Amino acid sequence: EAQVTQNPRYLITVTGKKLTVTCSQNMNHEYMSWYRQDPGLGLRQIYYSMNVEVTDKGDVPEGYKVSRKEKRNFPLILESPSPNQTSLYFCASSPGDSRSGNTIYFGEGSWLTVV
Amino acid sequence: GDSVTQMEGPVTLSEEAFLTINCTYTATGYPSLFWYVQYPGEGLQLLLKATKADDKGSNKGFEATYRKETTSFHLEKGSVQVSDSAVYFCALSRRSNYQLIWGAGTKLIIKP
Repeated sequence: EAQVTQNPRYLITVTGKKLTVTCSQNMNHEYMSWYRQDPGLGLRQIYYSMNVEVTDKGDVPEGYKVSRKEKRNFPLILESPSPNQTSLYFCASSPGDSRSGNTIYFGEGSWLTVV
Repeated sequence: GDSVTQMEGPVTLSEEAFLTINCTYTATGYPSLFWYVQYPGEGLQLLLKATKADDKGSNKGFEATYRKETTSFHLEKGSVQVSDSAVYFCALSRRSNYQLIWGAGTKLIIKP
């Protein structure tokens, strides 16, 4: 089954304790990205990657890091989480192919609370 | 820059009512347009899409037509059900880097 899998789905952590949210896709997609969803603000892109070893900042990259060492994985790293990073996070992937109409596939989301 | 504006919610309707959720966009070039749906407690699912002007996307009884002249992509359904209660997001995709630009979302509540 084609899917985007992210873990953990739910996490409560403390300020300053480094954490990683993993994301993996099994569709051989070139493009992957991370979004955060906050009430009244819709989805905002954090980082994206057009291919292995290629990453770029989205609209709200501060406080986050990413890496793309393999095509299927795109982890999101919070080196020193703060309460304003409490949010719902989505990983997404896309074939990066105009024939797909740029359809993007989403993971189920990770609820992160920083106290 | 590129942007998407959709009507504020919540939108509350009775079952079998006609639904319209407005979405307008600002973009350079010719973006692809999407509607995504998020059911309570779940992730985002692609509902429908249109990749060029005058295209009509449809799925599960929902429809939206890519109107370049009015820069709109309004979502419609002829007869809504309680199970359609969800948050609906309109989005455009820049062809240059596949980045999605999102509307703020419209919460739809359908009452029996």
